[in-house]
Amino acid sequence: DVKVTQSSRYLVKRTGEKVFLECVQDMDHENMFWYRQDPGLGLRLIYFSYDVKMKEKGDIPEGYSVSREKKERFSLILESASTNQTSMYLCASSLDRSAGELFFGEGSRLTVL
Amino acid sequence: SQQGEEDPQALSIQEGENATMNCSYKTSINNLQWYRQNSGRGLVHLILIRSNEREKHSGRLRVTLDTSKKSSSLLITASRAADTASYFCATGRQGAQKLVFGQGTRLTINP
Repeated sequence: DVKVTQSSRYLVKRTGEKVFLECVQDMDHENMFWYRQDPGLGLRLIYFSYDVKMKEKGDIPEGYSVSREKKERFSLILESASTNQTSMYLCASSLDRSAGELFFGEGSRLTVL
Repeated sequence: SQQGEEDPQALSIQEGENATMNCSYKTSINNLQWYRQNSGRGLVHLILIRSNEREKHSGRLRVTLDTSKKSSSLLITASRAADTASYFCATGRQGAQKLVFGQGTRLTINP
């Protein structure tokens, strides 16, 4: 069974803290994605990666960075968390570059105080 | 840049009834997908329909695609309380790795 695991389901951080959200997939997928989900705004793509050490900006990359040192792991980094980054963060992976089926993790709900 | 728009935003029906949700999009697509999300959880893929297909079935789910109208519908037949969730459409374009999601329809099935 395919699995995407996000390291933390709930996090509470303070403004200005550095935050790491980790995501691991066990399916040998090429692509990995980070979305954020907010009420009324749906899912918005932050960054994605189609290969190790490769990254592409999504629709809302400002305030975020990513790291993909190994194929199975894709990390989202908030260098200096702000209250407007309070959100649900969803990691996903897909097999190849064909805009196919996404496999999602359970989500990480981040609250920035 | 939101591509898909779901309609209605919220739908409440009685158990046993059919539920229909619609999705419209703006540009040409390679495929359209439907996902389900239970409250506070991740999304789960339900079904993918390619641009050269018009209808697809999976269990109690029926998806149609009309590329001339740039729209799709998801029908859930004989609804159950466990179908209560949010449903999202997502579009994939030729040559693009990423999907673009709509804002979802919140479906409530009343027992």
